[in-house]
Amino acid sequence: QLQLQESGPGLVKPSETLSLTCTVSGGSISSSSYYWGWIRQPPGKGLEWIGSIYYSGSTYYNPSLKSRVTISVDTSKNQFSLKLSSVTAADTAVYYCARQILTRYGDAYYFDYWGQGTLVTVSS
Amino acid sequence: SYVLTQPPSVSVAPGQTARITCGGNNIGSKSVHWYQQKPGQAPVLVVYDDSDRPSGIPERFSGSNSGNTATLTISRVEAGDEADYYCQVWDSSSDLFVVFGGGTKLTVL
Repeated sequence: QLQLQESGPGLVKPSETLSLTCTVSGGSISSSSYYWGWIRQPPGKGLEWIGSIYYSGSTYYNPSLKSRVTISVDTSKNQFSLKLSSVTAADTAVYYCARQILTRYGDAYYFDYWGQGTLVTVSS
Repeated sequence: SYVLTQPPSVSVAPGQTARITCGGNNIGSKSVHWYQQKPGQAPVLVVYDDSDRPSGIPERFSGSNSGNTATLTISRVEAGDEADYYCQVWDSSSDLFVVFGGGTKLTVL
């Protein structure tokens, strides 16, 4: 059974960089069938996609966050990571990592496995 | 970018049928996926590719998609179905590839 686990600081100061890692177990991050994504959810609000990465390192990001986001992958550790720079209180959220799988039509993606999420609070 | 519109809330009595809609321009031409999120938990995929169910999801959950509206239908609603539900599509026509609806709170009366 595939499992994803987020890890990283729960408290980040304004203007600093938020850094999280997602460790994948029960499967290989190097599979050609999947992308790996980050999604966040501010308290009491809906889901917002941040960005996704392929095992080769190919990435794509939410345009609204693109200037501040970097997602990277470490296949040797079966992990992928998120960095979000210049954070403000608006970046306070539960951050989820998830596996992104292709639809049967081969033209779109959805998320079939999710981590439990980790709350990151931006505060001085 | 593509916009998905969901009603903020839907209420239904136990044993009845709940229908949660997801509106979008010509959404019938896209694959729609649905997630259930209970308080304090991660989202769980309940329907993918408009109408398919992952293993372990009850047959009470079904989906349809046509025209400008996709619908998640929950038959014989149980108290345990009370949750937030989100629809999601992939929009390759813009830079915002992954689009979520705003979510619908299902209340079981």
